[in-house]
Amino acid sequence: DAGVIQSPRHEVTEMGQEVTLRCKPISGHDYLFWYRQTMMRGLELLIYFNNNVPIDDSGMPEDRFSAKMPNASFSTLKIQPSEPRDSAVYFCASTLSSAGWSAGYTFGSGTRLTVV
Amino acid sequence: AQTVTQSQPEMSVQEAETVTLSCTYDTSESDYYLFWYKQPPSRQMILVIRQEAYKQQNATENRFSVNFQKAAKSFSLKISDSQLGDAAMYFCAYRRIQGAQKLVFGQGTRLTINP
Repeated sequence: DAGVIQSPRHEVTEMGQEVTLRCKPISGHDYLFWYRQTMMRGLELLIYFNNNVPIDDSGMPEDRFSAKMPNASFSTLKIQPSEPRDSAVYFCASTLSSAGWSAGYTFGSGTRLTVV
Repeated sequence: AQTVTQSQPEMSVQEAETVTLSCTYDTSESDYYLFWYKQPPSRQMILVIRQEAYKQQNATENRFSVNFQKAAKSFSLKISDSQLGDAAMYFCAYRRIQGAQKLVFGQGTRLTINP
């Protein structure tokens, strides 16, 4: 398996523009997570899905952020409009609950977002 | 809410020596999982080692081992025979067994290996 695939790896955009980050989880995994990493706040959970259904979006910072999972093999995180304080590395991770929770998550390589 | 604290923002060690990274956590749960993740400059988050709270035996993975002290809510990572490739950010993480499925991370410790 190719692992969790995120695109793009880097994104530079101007303030006010819409940004879409993409994630393809490992085939068969039933949980998908979006995390944000910044120097100030560390790794924060934004939202997670179970079987394509959003379970907890309490970490989504504000209405400018939205996430979807239209099918088991694809998820998007959208920021509209983007602001400089959204600059961070965004990680997607997936896991298979039936494999046992001690297995941890498999993370993608992240998308480094820079909003100028 | 569960919290994870890593009190050492940075650590350094000589190549081939042993280093211990500290982690404490706060929870009212009796059963849970603990993890150490490594994040090298490539940014990839790599699972290093895991521990189930209901197991008293400390987990080991080759040169990596943990000292799990449940009563003290402490979960330190020991790296033996440090290698240059061990240089990275290390994150301690906690996950409940029941309920919310999220991993809660500490702030991380940056480990430098001196040749």
